[in-house]
Amino acid sequence: GVSQSPSNKVTEKGKDVELRCDPISEHNRLYWYRQTLGQGPEFLTYFQNEAQLEKSRLLSDRFSAERPKGSFSTLEIQRTEQGDSAMYLCASIHRGSGNTIYFGEGSWLTVV
Amino acid sequence: AQKVTQAQTEISVVEKEDVTLDCVYETRDTTYYLFWYKQPPSGELVFLIRRNSFDEQNEISGRYSWNFQKSTSSFNFTITASQVVDSAVYFCALSDGTDKLIFGTGTRLQVFP
Repeated sequence: GVSQSPSNKVTEKGKDVELRCDPISEHNRLYWYRQTLGQGPEFLTYFQNEAQLEKSRLLSDRFSAERPKGSFSTLEIQRTEQGDSAMYLCASIHRGSGNTIYFGEGSWLTVV
Repeated sequence: AQKVTQAQTEISVVEKEDVTLDCVYETRDTTYYLFWYKQPPSGELVFLIRRNSFDEQNEISGRYSWNFQKSTSSFNFTITASQVVDSAVYFCALSDGTDKLIFGTGTRLQVFP
């Protein structure tokens, strides 16, 4: 399935963090979502292979995502703020085949 | 704009009861897709069903069934003879076909023995 690391991360305000997603092999699309307590996941950004095709307004300049070589992806958050505390979910899909979107277990980020 | 509303924040039932989770959606697209996901305490979103806007046929999968009604923009989910393992948060979601999902706020289902 989709693997995410770390599963839990506690960081101090102002520090940088990096979250990683390993999609299902050969899935060409990869999505990042953010979920806060009591809410549904919200779209952040997505990649078609290595190209980042769309970014949500939720993704401030402190956030950057990459997917080098179209395989794993990283989501980096610079100068973290308490409002960044959330679960970050990754999902992948092989566009053109079945169209089932698979999600990982998420990375819980707590900024203290 | 697309929107998904799950008015039921939390539902509690006793094992073996039937329960229906409501989902109402808004979209101007003629082609769209509706989904249900289950989120157990582990956090992973588990895919349950995908339905396109042209297929209004109801679907049954074991104890799960889904009722899609375009006339009322609803895509409700029923669990028959609920079990404790069904306890989770259930999300309804909408997509315009880009695979970017718009989720509702979820319904927490608690099934007590």
